[in-house]
Amino acid sequence: AQSVTQLDSHVSVSEGTPVLLRCNYSSSYSPSLFWYVQHPNKGLQLLLKYTSAATLVKGINGFEAEFKKSETSFHLTKPSAHMSDAAEYFCVVSHPGVFGNEKLTFGTGTRLTIIP
Amino acid sequence: GAGVSQSPSNKVTEKGKDVELRCDPISGHTALYWYRQSLGQGLEFLIYFQGNSAPDKSGLPSDRFSAERTGGSVSTLTIQRTQQEDSAVYLCASSFDGTWEETQYFGPGTRLLVL
Repeated sequence: AQSVTQLDSHVSVSEGTPVLLRCNYSSSYSPSLFWYVQHPNKGLQLLLKYTSAATLVKGINGFEAEFKKSETSFHLTKPSAHMSDAAEYFCVVSHPGVFGNEKLTFGTGTRLTIIP
Repeated sequence: GAGVSQSPSNKVTEKGKDVELRCDPISGHTALYWYRQSLGQGLEFLIYFQGNSAPDKSGLPSDRFSAERTGGSVSTLTIQRTQQEDSAVYLCASSFDGTWEETQYFGPGTRLLVL
């Protein structure tokens, strides 16, 4: 079975300081992992994706995530927060469905607030 | 089109009425997915289309929910006899061919409120 745990439901950081959003996963397969961002009243936008290539994945807007198999973690980081980063972030694990399709299991989300 | 589009963006309906939600996927994407995002349940998978067929309907919560896709493109999610617990944001996503590790691209969603 697949599951995703986002360890913090809400994170607040000051503008210009580092961001850390934590995610742990459980998967029966060699996982594919994603981070999506959702701004208010917007759809989900892909930030980055890990598919068993390099363990350090770089995404858009300066975000990156490191896949650590021994810790079953896929934490999202950014060196310096910007006001526009305020949004909800979802960690997602992908696995093959019965019909060969991709099935996504979503974490419960982390709301990131940026303090001016 | 440039991205996945959905309509309407917001829908308010009375309990017991039927509603139709529309999704227009990225041109050329054969796979289409519907998800529901609600406060109590997070993001849940509803149904998967490959072309016009729906091999995976395992997430549909009841027989009041149905979906179809025509021409390998536009999809409609229909909820019959709506209930207050159907209130949620309904998200549509598409991917190139639906295989594992393919990136799914999401639309902006339809926010449904059942009074």
